Amino acid sequence: DAGITQSPRYKITETGRQVTLMCHQTWSHSYMFWYRQDLGHGLRLIYYSAAADITDKGEVPDGYVVSRSKTENFPLTLESATRSQTSVYFCASTRGGYQETQYFGPGTRLLVL
Amino acid sequence: LAKTTQPISMDSYEGQEVNITCSHNNIATNDYITWYQQFPSQGPRFIIQGYKTKVTNEVASLFIPADRKSSTLSLPRVSLSDTAVYYCLVDPQTDKLIFGTGTRLQVFP
Repeated sequence: DAGITQSPRYKITETGRQVTLMCHQTWSHSYMFWYRQDLGHGLRLIYYSAAADITDKGEVPDGYVVSRSKTENFPLTLESATRSQTSVYFCASTRGGYQETQYFGPGTRLLVL
Repeated sequence: LAKTTQPISMDSYEGQEVNITCSHNNIATNDYITWYQQFPSQGPRFIIQGYKTKVTNEVASLFIPADRKSSTLSLPRVSLSDTAVYYCLVDPQTDKLIFGTGTRLQVFP
């Protein structure tokens, strides 16, 4: 049972490049989330999705794009990476709504030079 | 939007009981209180969730007073492996899912 996986685990890119972070879950959970974690800020929600083809903005969506064509996948794209997007990115999912337990992936550590 | 306030850090020794309190003065009637634990280089993981009074599982207890404006996560007899960051989460029905900065617990031998 793979659960929730993220790829790549580590990524170095340059300012202005497009980067896509992948998230895949095997539970058929309805809800999926993307967070970023920076020192001093805790976890901040970027985007979330309640189901396939339904996405919405979280607290810090600027500079990011998401899609959800299949229930199990929720890619996060940085269209033109900036240094301020250097962070650790976590994907999470819940079976139903927000009140339910969130299951987190292992994270992707992104460095933008 | 219910904002949470937790101590930034706490220290303890192995075998002691640790209580971490979270303030959430603006908690709404339908909000649950959820605690997560995060180890370095890992994603957070669920510890416990409650609505009122007391909830206990194999890992921790959660105490919630009648006014629900605060909650206390209790970790019995901590070990070195309990060293982690603990997050209190309320108001998850919004699209913000505010985790805050959490409480960094350091357990010493």
